[in-house]
Amino acid sequence: EVQLVESGGGLVKPGGSLRLSCAASGFTFSSYSMNWVRQAPGKGLEWVSSISSSSSYIYYADSVKGRFTISRDNAKNSLYLQMNSLRAEDTAVYYCADHSYMDVWGKGTTVTVSS
Amino acid sequence: AIRMTQSPSSLSASTGDRVTITCRASQGISSYLAWYQQKPGKAPKLLIYAASTLQSGVPSRFSGSGSGTDFTLTISCLQSEDFATYYCQQYYSYPRTFGQGTKLEIK
Repeated sequence: EVQLVESGGGLVKPGGSLRLSCAASGFTFSSYSMNWVRQAPGKGLEWVSSISSSSSYIYYADSVKGRFTISRDNAKNSLYLQMNSLRAEDTAVYYCADHSYMDVWGKGTTVTVSS
Repeated sequence: AIRMTQSPSSLSASTGDRVTITCRASQGISSYLAWYQQKPGKAPKLLIYAASTLQSGVPSRFSGSGSGTDFTLTISCLQSEDFATYYCQQYYSYPRTFGQGTKLEIK
């Protein structure tokens, strides 16, 4: 079964850091670009970051550039998002998804930034 | 960044109705457009990619059309399970962008 499972969310104070993980199974992870997408409470979907299959190309939304870092470990079938200098507006459910058109999504992990 | 604008933002319809949702890109994106369905508390689900290609397992009552800047998602005969929020997304260029969503509600 094709599956993505996010983890690492939680409650963090403004200015703090978190590292999200996404474990992939059931498909050839190393062949696909991967994405992080977030959804703030009651809001729409916001693309956060993408990484190519070999990590050669990395892209970020302006809202997170310089604060978030995407990475992947193809040997471990895992995707990561290091989030630093967190702000209240980063509060959201964070999803990992594969491919340019996102045909596989995880269930999401919740990040809450609050004092 | 390419702006994706969906209309309407919300829509009331009845089971059995035919509904159409429109997505307009601020610049041409060829056919690099996907449609997603999202239900409350759940992850989005891919319905259509390449503007008109139905994802495996998605019912044939869903269809997509368009290219360039104007796209549509049509549900030919609404079922109860179709009441949800729908998003378009362009994957022509970075940053990837989503439409603001269309909430389809029961009349």
